[in-house]
Amino acid sequence: GAGVSQSPSNKVTEKGKDVELRCDPISGHTALYWYRQSLGQGLEFLIYFQGNSAPDKSGLPSDRFSAERTGGSVSTLTIQRTQQEDSAVYLCASSLAGLAGGGETQYFGPGTRLLVL
Amino acid sequence: KQEVTQIPAALSVPEGENLVLNCSFTDSAIYNLQWFRQDPGKGLTSLLLIQSSQREQTSGRLNASLDKSSGRSTLYIAASQPGDSATYLCAVPESNTGNQFYFGTGTSLTVIP
Repeated sequence: GAGVSQSPSNKVTEKGKDVELRCDPISGHTALYWYRQSLGQGLEFLIYFQGNSAPDKSGLPSDRFSAERTGGSVSTLTIQRTQQEDSAVYLCASSLAGLAGGGETQYFGPGTRLLVL
Repeated sequence: KQEVTQIPAALSVPEGENLVLNCSFTDSAIYNLQWFRQDPGKGLTSLLLIQSSQREQTSGRLNASLDKSSGRSTLYIAASQPGDSATYLCAVPESNTGNQFYFGTGTSLTVIP
């Protein structure tokens, strides 16, 4: 079946504007993760959704960042009043059941490359 | 907070060589460890997942080992090929909930034909 898809693949915006990034997980996957990958740095966890449970937002870097997951499927990551330091690749991943301890494979999308001018 | 380190940051080898990539982590109370591959401009592809009770996992020319007590994992690639050129990342889940994963910064591998 189809893998994880993300849109847009690239986004250039001006400082201060809001952006929305979309993730379509693999059908049937209940767990969804957002990560940020900055140049020369490792992946940074942002937020985790598991079914209908309250999301784990512990990785969001500021209150300008928020995410939703509608109907347990598609997720949108919103960055308000973007700053230049928000420039990065934003990756989404999904897994089948989000087992405790992360004991299953995560499937990653190709990412959205965000550039804030 | 768990810290994951990968050495070397970059590696260049001639085709056909065997090679070892290293991953170390500071908190040994991990559920598992995963190795991923990332090609330029693309997302991550899972290569191997080693549960905490396991010592190693093999897939084709890849063999990953795990030594929890010393906080180390290695990824061994046999008979390297140019198509193996990519960035290799290791990751461990957060120890309490396992919801978030800590990634190393990766090893950029170039296999020269």
